[in-house]
This record gives sequence, C-alpha cells and structure tokens, in this order.
Amino acid sequence: AQRVTQPEKLLSVFKGAPVELKCNYSYSGSPELFWYVQYSRQRLQLLLRHISRESIKGFTADLNKGETSFHLKKPFAQEEDSAMYYCALSAKAAGNKLTFGGGTRVLVKP
Amino acid sequence: DAMVIQNPRYQVTQFGKPVTLSCSQTLNHNVMYWYQQKSSQAPKLLFHYYDKDFNNEADTPDNFQSRRPNTSFCFLDIRSPGLGDAAMYLCATSRGTGGHTGELFFGEGSRLTVL
Repeated sequence: AQRVTQPEKLLSVFKGAPVELKCNYSYSGSPELFWYVQYSRQRLQLLLRHISRESIKGFTADLNKGETSFHLKKPFAQEEDSAMYYCALSAKAAGNKLTFGGGTRVLVKP
Repeated sequence: DAMVIQNPRYQVTQFGKPVTLSCSQTLNHNVMYWYQQKSSQAPKLLFHYYDKDFNNEADTPDNFQSRRPNTSFCFLDIRSPGLGDAAMYLCATSRGTGGHTGELFFGEGSRLTVL
C-alpha cells in the first residue's frame, strides 16, 4: 500500500527566508506526486504536480526516486504563503486514488 | 464561478439522527470523491464514483453510504452519526482520464457536528 509522510506539522519562517517542506513516500511502482495547498478559509487546491516540472508561485518540487522524496521549496517565503500544505500520491495500481500526507502548516512571519 | 459546490457548509445533527450532505459540480468530471477530514489530520478517502461505478474503501464504515443520481450530483448519507463522525467532509472531482487522474477539484467542505 502507498503511504505519504510529512514529518513536520508546523514550519515557521520569516519573510524572505527559504522554506522547504519535506515529503517522503512509499510505493513500489511509479507514482505521480502532487502538492496541494489550503489557504485560510479557502478550499484545498492543487499547487503543483511533479510531471509538469513547473514553478508555481515561486514553489518548485523535485521527485527523487532514489530517496523516495518530493520536497517542496521556495527560496524567498512571502506572508501570503502561510497555509496548510499537503503532499499527495496517486498510484495506478491503486486505481489512481489520491493518498494524502498529514500536512504541514507554514507560517511566514513579517 | 464555483465549480464544486457543497451543501450545507455547516451541519449540526444529533447522535443517531441521519444526515445527508450534497455535492454538485459544473465541470462534467467523470469521478466524484468523498473525503473525511478530522482536525489536524489528512483527508481520508471514504469512496468514489467513476461515472456510475461505486468504489468503496475497505475501511469505510457501513454507516456511510453514497448516491450519484447523475453526473453533476453526489450525496453522502450518514445513517446513524456517532460522535466520532464529527469532521469536515470534502467532495472532490477529477477527469479520471488523460493523465489528469491526480488533479482533484475540491469543494469548500461540509463541517458536521454531532451532539
């Protein structure tokens, strides 16, 4: 069975500092990895997906199959980045269902 | 502009009193999901519909049922809510095909309180 682990429940950084959210997964096949974000009083929404290899709102994430990780990074955090972030995995063998990690709350202080 | 709409946003029920939560979508997506999210926890998949095909998760209690009368609507029925069923219930949709299977569109959720 697939599993997603986000070891940090809370990350607190100052504005302008780098931020890195850790995500590790376990799955024997080739997964698709995603980061979802939930801003205060808003719905959960897709931030980025590994196959797109894109930068969204200054965030990037690289899939490292050797380390089974998909960490999310931003070099200069902004106050508007304060939110709940969920790493998620979709596995073909599991019917493409999305499995979420426990989430990391990011607080960017002024 | 809202694409996945959940009603009601807040639902208070009594222990054992049936409750129905609804979800509608304007995206014409094949797949509709129901997730349960308890405080400070990850969303947990209860079941999903791929078109009319119902897929129940193995650990979803029998107390939870779902209906999808057409493409646009999906309902979550909790037959006899217990205190442990108090949670946020999230509806989501996805295309289900063409490499978009992990891209889910969520509603704002229905928060259930059980007294």
